[in-house]
Amino acid sequence: TQLLEQSPQFLSIQEGENLTVYCNSSSVFSSLQWYRQEPGEGPVLLVTVVTGGEVKKLKRLTFQFGDARKDSSLHITAAQPGDTGLYLCAGHSNSGYALNFGKGTSLLVTP
Amino acid sequence: GAVVSQHPSWVICKSGTSVKIECRSLDFQATTMFWYRQFPKQSLMLMATSNEGSKATYEQGVEKDKFLINHASLTLSTLTVTSAHPEDSSFYICSASYAGGYYNEQFFGPGTRLTVL
Repeated sequence: TQLLEQSPQFLSIQEGENLTVYCNSSSVFSSLQWYRQEPGEGPVLLVTVVTGGEVKKLKRLTFQFGDARKDSSLHITAAQPGDTGLYLCAGHSNSGYALNFGKGTSLLVTP
Repeated sequence: GAVVSQHPSWVICKSGTSVKIECRSLDFQATTMFWYRQFPKQSLMLMATSNEGSKATYEQGVEKDKFLINHASLTLSTLTVTSAHPEDSSFYICSASYAGGYYNEQFFGPGTRLTVL
């Protein structure tokens, strides 16, 4: 199993602040996905990154895939209460369809 | 597009009974479906992978005789928790992917909350 380590595990910030969530592994991934999950619901796909060094933007969210395809980051600018949730990174190995999930970062944005 | 539904959204049952959870891909043909379980404040743990028309592949430590998975069609997979016990109480989530999808992206259902009394 290819392990993904996410940090921080918990993050509580005020509205308007910026934050970065990290997803690291010692393994290479063919692709890496970021999800956001709200309590009692399934994860919702935010982005898939596939190329080393790739940067993708989704409104106030910026996703980066490391050059070696072993790590990724999610940066949120001017966080809003609606950004509150569990952020999960997950990677596909080269060998299969199964996703390996990180443990998640629980984000709380207070007004 | 790529919508996955689950039914029921929550279920409460007595210890020793069996519970069936359905996972449906509503607008695409799901060549592969996955079943996960998630405990409170924890991440998703893959239980098994199933391809339409073939036996599911279970992850290490998951009892295949307890968690029966059937993927009889390209739009439906079912997970049956047999002889459920309180320790089986969890949030069960399915996901689905389709052949030719962008880097095998998985689309998740809304989950089923199982409580075993």
